[in-house]
Amino acid sequence: GEDVEQSLFLSVREGDSSVINCTYTDSSSTYLYWYKQEPGAGLQLLTYIFSNMDMKQDQRLTVLLNKKDKHLSLRIADTQTGDSAIYFCAEKEHNQGGKLIFGQGTELSVKP
Amino acid sequence: DTEVTQTPKHLVMGMTNKKSLKCEQHMGHRAMYWYKQKAKKPPELMFVYSYEKLSINESVPSRFSPECPNSSLLNLHLHALQPEDSALYLCASSLGLAGNEQFFGPGTRLTVL
Repeated sequence: GEDVEQSLFLSVREGDSSVINCTYTDSSSTYLYWYKQEPGAGLQLLTYIFSNMDMKQDQRLTVLLNKKDKHLSLRIADTQTGDSAIYFCAEKEHNQGGKLIFGQGTELSVKP
Repeated sequence: DTEVTQTPKHLVMGMTNKKSLKCEQHMGHRAMYWYKQKAKKPPELMFVYSYEKLSINESVPSRFSPECPNSSLLNLHLHALQPEDSALYLCASSLGLAGNEQFFGPGTRLTVL
């Protein structure tokens, strides 16, 4: 079945870049997403990329998609303490009725 | 209005109680979703509604009963829950099932005693 995997933890220093990685198994994925969840809050949609794109940039966020290797990454430039959160990668498959398949989430810790 | 709202924010209920969770959006979205999330785990899809009709039920126990009275509202009726049902319940919406963006509400933190 479909599977999305992420490493569980990442720790960086304030001002450094963070790179959060995700791998997925289903080649029929149409859209791939990055969500951010702060403690006690809902999920905030950060960005998404269509499967026929290689890269998408939005201010401090850069998404890279390697469709051949089924690898997705989220780079956060100039990471701030406010970026500390859990980041979920998710994929949406073609003709699956809007269903998202989430990774386990990467807990990003930003140290001053 | 670009947000999904959920009430209540917190709910504590006994195993014999009946309660309801509410979700509302005014973005004109026609697909709405219920997810259950345990601490530090990803959300798990429960139900999907499209144009006010139930589209997906992920084999959820019947003690959870969804309802979509109109295109802006989504309810989740709870009855005879178990302590293991304690979780964060998230509502989401998208333009349609094929919509690019699925927006989440802040969730209802449910505790079953």
